[in-house]
Amino acid sequence: QLQLQASGPGVVKPSQSLSLTCTVSGGSVDRGAFHWNWIRQPAGKTLEWIGHIYASGPTTYNPSLKGRVTMSIDTSTNQFFLRLTSVTAADTAVYYCARLRIGTQPYIDSWGQGFLVTVSS
Amino acid sequence: IVMTQSPLSLPVTPGEPASISCRSSQSLLHGSGNNYVDWYLQKPGQSPQVLIYLGSNRASGVPDRFSGSGSGTDFTLKISRVEAEDVGVYYCMQTLQTPLTFGGGTKVEIK
Repeated sequence: QLQLQASGPGVVKPSQSLSLTCTVSGGSVDRGAFHWNWIRQPAGKTLEWIGHIYASGPTTYNPSLKGRVTMSIDTSTNQFFLRLTSVTAADTAVYYCARLRIGTQPYIDSWGQGFLVTVSS
Repeated sequence: IVMTQSPLSLPVTPGEPASISCRSSQSLLHGSGNNYVDWYLQKPGQSPQVLIYLGSNRASGVPDRFSGSGSGTDFTLKISRVEAEDVGVYYCMQTLQTPLTFGGGTKVEIK
């Protein structure tokens, strides 16, 4: 069974960069037919899609994040990564990594457990 | 694409039906004939889990008391008989185009 686990610093200072790693087990990030996503959820609010990356590297980001996002993937370690620059308190949220099926059944079929990142000095 | 859900909160009685509405600011009907909307349930303290994809298809393992319907810009999730384990926040999500977007959520709680 596929498992995704996000990890990284739980506290980031304002104006600095947030870096998270999603480690995938029970399946390969190198398989086609999937997009690897980052999604976040501020406390008590709805979900916000940050972006996704394909195994071969193409990325798509949410324009609302105004160029602050970079995603990458390492098929040798079965991980994908998120970097968000110039963070503010508004970036405090639970961050989920998730797998989106593409093709005939497009939906998110696996979510990580969520990782809380707090932006605070 | 903006996804708008109603109601925000839905108190339900076990054994009774429940219905959640989701409206999109643009049609989610693809040329394939599929509507690119999914429904997820986020139980308390958990990550979301898929219930319905492409508007009306139940995901594997989802009980048949859950059903999805609608086309274009108006969609509905129905629970035929609510059970205690169905409490949580329900979200619709569109996958027609990026940025992928979610509705604001509907909190279902037992009366």
